[in-house]
Amino acid sequence: DIQMTQSPSSLSASVGDRVTITCRASHSINNYLNWFQQKPGRAPKVLIYAASNLESGVPSRFSGSGSGTDFTLTITSLQREDFAIYYCQQSYSTPNTFGQGTKLEIK
Amino acid sequence: EVQLLESGGGLVQPGGSLRLSCAASGFTFSSYAMSWVRQAPGKGLEWVAGISDSADSTYYADSVKGRFTISRDNSKDTLFLQMNSLRADDTAIYYCAKEFRGYRYGRYSIYFDWWGQGTLVTVSS
Repeated sequence: DIQMTQSPSSLSASVGDRVTITCRASHSINNYLNWFQQKPGRAPKVLIYAASNLESGVPSRFSGSGSGTDFTLTITSLQREDFAIYYCQQSYSTPNTFGQGTKLEIK
Repeated sequence: EVQLLESGGGLVQPGGSLRLSCAASGFTFSSYAMSWVRQAPGKGLEWVAGISDSADSTYYADSVKGRFTISRDNSKDTLFLQMNSLRADDTAIYYCAKEFRGYRYGRYSIYFDWWGQGTLVTVSS
Protein backbone atom coordinates (compact mmCIF):
# COMPACT_ATOMS: atom_id res chain seq x y z
CA ASP A 1 0.00 0.00 0.00
CA ILE A 2 1.12 3.57 -0.66
CA GLN A 3 1.53 5.59 2.53
CA MET A 4 0.69 9.29 2.51
CA THR A 5 2.36 11.57 5.05
CA GLN A 6 1.17 15.11 5.59
CA SER A 7 2.96 17.89 7.42
CA PRO A 8 2.38 19.66 9.61
CA SER A 9 -0.34 17.82 11.56
CA SER A 10 -1.62 21.15 12.80
CA LEU A 11 -1.03 24.74 11.91
CA SER A 12 -2.03 28.06 13.45
CA ALA A 13 -2.40 31.05 11.17
CA SER A 14 -4.16 34.38 10.92
CA VAL A 15 -6.67 35.72 8.44
CA GLY A 16 -4.74 37.04 5.47
CA ASP A 17 -1.77 34.70 5.92
CA ARG A 18 -0.33 32.41 3.27
CA VAL A 19 0.00 28.76 4.33
CA THR A 20 1.47 25.66 2.77
CA ILE A 21 0.69 22.04 3.59
CA THR A 22 2.87 19.26 2.25
CA CYS A 23 2.07 15.67 1.39
CA ARG A 24 4.60 12.95 0.65
CA ALA A 25 3.85 9.58 -0.93
CA SER A 26 5.86 6.47 -0.11
CA HIS A 27 6.05 5.64 -3.84
CA SER A 28 5.68 7.70 -6.97
CA ILE A 29 2.04 8.43 -7.75
CA ASN A 30 2.64 10.62 -10.83
CA ASN A 31 0.07 13.38 -10.37
CA TYR A 32 -2.73 11.24 -8.93
CA LEU A 33 -3.00 13.41 -5.84
CA ASN A 34 -6.14 15.10 -4.56
CA TRP A 35 -6.76 17.57 -1.74
CA PHE A 36 -9.92 17.69 0.38
CA GLN A 37 -11.22 20.14 2.95
CA GLN A 38 -13.41 18.99 5.82
CA LYS A 39 -15.28 21.19 8.25
CA PRO A 40 -16.76 19.91 11.55
CA GLY A 41 -19.82 17.74 11.04
CA ARG A 42 -19.54 17.92 7.25
CA ALA A 43 -18.45 15.56 4.50
CA PRO A 44 -15.10 16.20 2.83
CA LYS A 45 -15.09 18.46 -0.22
CA VAL A 46 -12.57 18.27 -3.05
CA LEU A 47 -10.43 21.35 -3.61
CA ILE A 48 -7.68 20.19 -5.95
CA TYR A 49 -7.48 17.10 -8.16
CA ALA A 50 -4.66 15.69 -10.28
CA ALA A 51 -2.20 17.59 -8.09
CA SER A 52 -2.89 21.04 -9.48
CA ASN A 53 -6.36 21.28 -11.03
CA LEU A 54 -8.76 23.52 -9.12
CA GLU A 55 -12.23 22.00 -8.72
CA SER A 56 -15.05 24.08 -10.13
CA GLY A 57 -16.37 26.58 -7.60
CA VAL A 58 -13.29 26.50 -5.37
CA PRO A 59 -11.73 29.94 -4.76
CA SER A 60 -8.54 30.68 -6.65
CA ARG A 61 -6.64 31.33 -3.40
CA PHE A 62 -6.26 27.53 -3.25
CA SER A 63 -3.57 25.97 -5.41
CA GLY A 64 -1.71 22.70 -5.63
CA SER A 65 1.61 21.61 -7.04
CA GLY A 66 3.94 18.66 -7.22
CA SER A 67 4.46 15.38 -8.97
CA GLY A 68 5.92 11.99 -8.18
CA THR A 69 6.17 11.80 -4.40
CA ASP A 70 6.08 15.40 -3.12
CA PHE A 71 3.07 17.69 -3.24
CA THR A 72 1.92 20.95 -1.71
CA LEU A 73 -1.37 22.72 -1.08
CA THR A 74 -1.08 26.47 -0.77
CA ILE A 75 -3.73 28.85 0.47
CA THR A 76 -3.01 32.51 -0.12
CA SER A 77 -4.76 35.22 1.88
CA LEU A 78 -6.51 32.93 4.38
CA GLN A 79 -10.17 33.61 4.98
CA ARG A 80 -12.10 32.75 8.13
CA GLU A 81 -14.00 29.99 6.30
CA ASP A 82 -10.72 28.24 5.41
CA PHE A 83 -10.09 27.07 8.96
CA ALA A 84 -10.73 23.35 8.66
CA ILE A 85 -8.94 20.02 8.28
CA TYR A 86 -7.18 19.26 5.02
CA TYR A 87 -6.44 15.79 3.65
CA CYS A 88 -4.39 14.64 0.73
CA GLN A 89 -5.35 11.40 -1.03
CA GLN A 90 -3.64 9.31 -3.70
CA SER A 91 -5.76 7.79 -6.47
CA TYR A 92 -2.85 6.08 -8.23
CA SER A 93 -3.55 2.64 -6.80
CA THR A 94 -5.95 0.73 -4.59
CA PRO A 95 -6.32 1.21 -1.66
CA ASN A 96 -6.78 4.92 -2.23
CA THR A 97 -4.98 6.09 0.88
CA PHE A 98 -5.40 9.42 2.64
CA GLY A 99 -2.91 11.46 4.60
CA GLN A 100 -3.54 11.78 8.32
CA GLY A 101 -4.87 15.32 7.95
CA THR A 102 -3.69 18.84 8.76
CA LYS A 103 -5.80 20.90 11.15
CA LEU A 104 -5.67 24.58 10.25
CA GLU A 105 -6.59 26.72 13.26
CA ILE A 106 -7.02 30.41 13.84
CA LYS A 107 -4.10 32.03 15.68
CA GLU B 1 -27.76 18.51 -8.76
CA VAL B 2 -25.91 15.41 -7.59
CA GLN B 3 -27.23 13.95 -4.35
CA LEU B 4 -26.01 10.96 -2.39
CA LEU B 5 -28.11 9.92 0.59
CA GLU B 6 -26.80 7.23 2.92
CA SER B 7 -28.98 5.23 5.27
CA GLY B 8 -28.87 2.08 7.37
CA GLY B 9 -26.49 3.11 10.11
CA GLY B 10 -27.15 2.48 13.76
CA LEU B 11 -26.07 0.64 16.89
CA VAL B 12 -25.06 -2.99 16.50
CA GLN B 13 -23.38 -5.47 18.81
CA PRO B 14 -19.91 -6.85 18.10
CA GLY B 15 -20.17 -9.75 15.69
CA GLY B 16 -23.38 -8.39 14.23
CA SER B 17 -24.30 -7.26 10.73
CA LEU B 18 -25.57 -4.10 9.09
CA ARG B 19 -26.39 -3.11 5.53
CA LEU B 20 -25.79 0.45 4.41
CA SER B 21 -27.47 2.00 1.38
CA CYS B 22 -26.63 5.08 -0.67
CA ALA B 23 -29.36 6.45 -2.92
CA ALA B 24 -27.98 8.45 -5.81
CA SER B 25 -29.65 11.10 -7.95
CA GLY B 26 -28.73 13.92 -10.29
CA PHE B 27 -26.33 11.92 -12.47
CA THR B 28 -26.19 8.74 -14.54
CA PHE B 29 -25.39 6.37 -11.69
CA SER B 30 -24.52 3.42 -13.94
CA SER B 31 -21.69 5.38 -15.57
CA TYR B 32 -19.60 5.97 -12.46
CA ALA B 33 -17.51 3.95 -10.05
CA MET B 34 -18.44 4.42 -6.41
CA SER B 35 -16.74 3.96 -3.07
CA TRP B 36 -17.35 3.87 0.66
CA VAL B 37 -15.04 5.93 2.88
CA ARG B 38 -15.26 5.93 6.67
CA GLN B 39 -14.14 8.17 9.50
CA ALA B 40 -13.83 6.94 13.07
CA PRO B 41 -14.74 9.49 15.75
CA GLY B 42 -12.10 12.21 15.88
CA LYS B 43 -9.94 10.39 13.32
CA GLY B 44 -8.98 10.74 9.67
CA LEU B 45 -10.47 9.35 6.48
CA GLU B 46 -10.14 5.69 5.49
CA TRP B 47 -11.17 4.32 2.11
CA VAL B 48 -13.12 1.10 2.72
CA ALA B 49 -14.33 -0.35 -0.58
CA GLY B 50 -14.90 0.52 -4.23
CA ILE B 51 -16.94 -0.85 -7.13
CA SER B 52 -16.75 -0.26 -10.87
CA ASP B 53 -19.61 1.28 -12.82
CA SER B 54 -20.85 -2.08 -14.11
CA ALA B 55 -20.13 -3.88 -10.82
CA ASP B 56 -17.73 -6.29 -12.50
CA SER B 57 -14.86 -5.20 -10.25
CA THR B 58 -14.78 -4.66 -6.51
CA TYR B 59 -11.95 -3.58 -4.23
CA TYR B 60 -11.52 -3.64 -0.46
CA ALA B 61 -9.23 -2.31 2.24
CA ASP B 62 -7.39 -5.09 4.06
CA SER B 63 -9.14 -4.05 7.28
CA VAL B 64 -12.55 -5.13 5.93
CA LYS B 65 -11.70 -7.79 3.35
CA GLY B 66 -13.72 -10.94 3.91
CA ARG B 67 -16.20 -9.15 6.20
CA PHE B 68 -17.67 -6.36 4.04
CA THR B 69 -19.24 -6.63 0.59
CA ILE B 70 -19.85 -3.68 -1.71
CA SER B 71 -22.55 -3.96 -4.37
CA ARG B 72 -24.81 -1.79 -6.46
CA ASP B 73 -28.19 -1.90 -8.19
CA ASN B 74 -27.94 0.27 -11.27
CA SER B 75 -31.65 -0.15 -11.98
CA LYS B 76 -32.37 1.55 -8.64
CA ASP B 77 -29.43 3.97 -8.56
CA THR B 78 -28.34 2.57 -5.22
CA LEU B 79 -25.03 1.56 -3.69
CA PHE B 80 -24.78 -0.91 -0.82
CA LEU B 81 -22.30 -2.00 1.82
CA GLN B 82 -23.03 -5.27 3.60
CA MET B 83 -21.04 -5.35 6.84
CA ASN B 84 -20.68 -8.65 8.72
CA SER B 85 -18.66 -9.70 11.78
CA LEU B 86 -18.58 -6.11 12.95
CA ARG B 87 -15.96 -5.04 15.47
CA ALA B 88 -15.63 -2.05 17.76
CA ASP B 89 -13.03 -0.51 15.45
CA ASP B 90 -15.58 -0.43 12.63
CA THR B 91 -17.35 2.34 14.53
CA ALA B 92 -17.34 5.34 12.20
CA ILE B 93 -19.30 7.62 9.96
CA TYR B 94 -19.60 5.91 6.59
CA TYR B 95 -19.68 8.11 3.49
CA CYS B 96 -20.50 7.04 -0.03
CA ALA B 97 -18.56 8.87 -2.70
CA LYS B 98 -18.91 9.20 -6.46
CA GLU B 99 -15.70 8.78 -8.40
CA PHE B 100 -14.78 10.85 -11.42
CA ARG B 101 -12.40 9.25 -13.91
CA GLY B 102 -11.45 11.03 -17.06
CA TYR B 103 -9.52 13.82 -18.73
CA ARG B 104 -9.86 17.36 -17.43
CA TYR B 105 -7.59 20.15 -18.61
CA GLY B 106 -5.40 17.60 -20.37
CA ARG B 107 -4.78 15.44 -17.29
CA TYR B 108 -6.27 12.05 -16.57
CA SER B 109 -7.92 12.51 -13.20
CA ILE B 110 -9.36 10.14 -10.63
CA TYR B 111 -11.03 11.66 -7.60
CA PHE B 112 -14.13 11.67 -5.40
CA ASP B 113 -16.11 14.62 -6.69
CA TRP B 114 -19.30 14.15 -4.66
CA TRP B 115 -19.88 12.78 -1.16
CA GLY B 116 -22.96 11.93 0.82
CA GLN B 117 -23.62 13.36 4.28
CA GLY B 118 -22.64 10.10 5.97
CA THR B 119 -24.34 7.57 8.23
CA LEU B 120 -23.06 6.65 11.68
CA VAL B 121 -22.32 3.04 12.55
CA THR B 122 -21.67 2.27 16.21
CA VAL B 123 -20.46 -1.19 17.20
CA SER B 124 -20.84 -1.68 20.93
CA SER B 125 -22.33 -4.05 23.45
